[in-house]
Formats: sequence, C-alpha cells, structure tokens
Amino acid sequence: DIQMTQSPSTLSASVGDRVTITCRASESISSWLAWYQQKPGKAPKLLIYRASNLESGVPSRFSGSGSGTEFTLTISSLQPDDFAAYYCQQYSSPYTFGQGTKLEIK
Amino acid sequence: EVQLVESGGGLVQPGGSLRLSCAAFGFTFRSYWMTWVRQAPGKGLEWVASINQDGSRIYYVDSVKGRFTISRDNAETSLYLQMNSLRADDTALYYCARELGAHSGYGQPFDYWGQGTLVTVSS
Repeated sequence: DIQMTQSPSTLSASVGDRVTITCRASESISSWLAWYQQKPGKAPKLLIYRASNLESGVPSRFSGSGSGTEFTLTISSLQPDDFAAYYCQQYSSPYTFGQGTKLEIK
Repeated sequence: EVQLVESGGGLVQPGGSLRLSCAAFGFTFRSYWMTWVRQAPGKGLEWVASINQDGSRIYYVDSVKGRFTISRDNAETSLYLQMNSLRADDTALYYCARELGAHSGYGQPFDYWGQGTLVTVSS
C-alpha cells in the first residue's frame, strides 16, 4: 500500500504568515493528490485536488503543488479561520491519508 | 444543496454487529461513487470502503475485508455499511462521503461529507 507522510505534525504560526505543509508518498502517485481541512468537531473539507486544482469556493490564498512523490500545500497569508488540521490524501491506489498537520496559533 | 446524513452508530460489544446508513439528498445519487471514511478519537482519517454507481465494483481497506460490507440502494438514495465481528480498534466516527465527479471512474477525492456517526466497540 502507498504510505503518505506529512510534515510537520504541528505547525505554529501567526495571522498573516505564509505556511507550507509537505506530503510525501512512498511511491509515485503522479498528481493524484488531494488536500483537506478539518476543524474540530467538523467533517473534512476538500481544498485541492489533482495536486494543484482549487476546489470551488476555496479562497485563493490556498495553493498546492508537486507531482510524483512530493507535494506541498501553501497558505499565502494565514487568516484566523485557517487554524485547523490539514490532511493530504492519495487517490492513486486505492486511498490513503497522511497522518495530518495541526496548524495552531503561535 | 448536497447533504449526507449518517445514522446507526452506537455502543456495541466486541464481536457484535452494527449497520450504518447514509441518506443522500440534493444530487443524483445513482451517478456517483460513494465511500465510508472513519476517524478514531483524536486520530487521523482512514478510508474504509467504496462502491461504484451501480454497486458492481467494491473496494475495502484490508483491515475490514471479510467483516464489513458496503452496499447502496439507488432508489432510496442511501448508502450502507454492515459491520460484523466488531473490534475495539473499529471504534471511530464513521463518515459517508461522495466522490468527486458524476459518472467518474474509481479513484477520486471526496467532495462532500456527512457529519459522521460514532461507533464505540467496548464491553
């Protein structure tokens, strides 16, 4: 099975910061990667699919890049609403999530 | 508006059974792959099972194969998960989710999620 490793596990940042979360796949998944945001007590929300495509309604401060085995999620200027957990997911074969990154207020 | 509403969770003893349901509203249910994803308390997300539009293709994570059965009723616009031989490590919030794109093939991200139903396996 394809393993997904996210880093860091926890990220402390301030409003206005630019932050990057990394996700590595144990083998190539082409661009079959999605990013989700999850707030406490809520279901995950799809942010990005196919590595860099922004889901409808998601603010443009979110962006994704990468292909093969290394991917990044970048938030260009953190807003108060962005403090949450973030998960990557490969959907090449079959589905695996990363362990998550908790983005907390510094 | 797309809505997914799970039900059927609860407390069950190890070795017991439970059937989860997910009622779908606001979209053409029969056109979409559907999925169950679970999240153990304080932990990350784990894909459990997926089913295609007409129920002819089904996939499971290895840890539930032979114990869980995913199914759907397109007339009732509902998704189900029959869970047998439950173990303590099946304790989790179970989400129903829709795969992105009508009439798509297998392997898409999940664009709509329900709020989940909690399954607790304990004696």
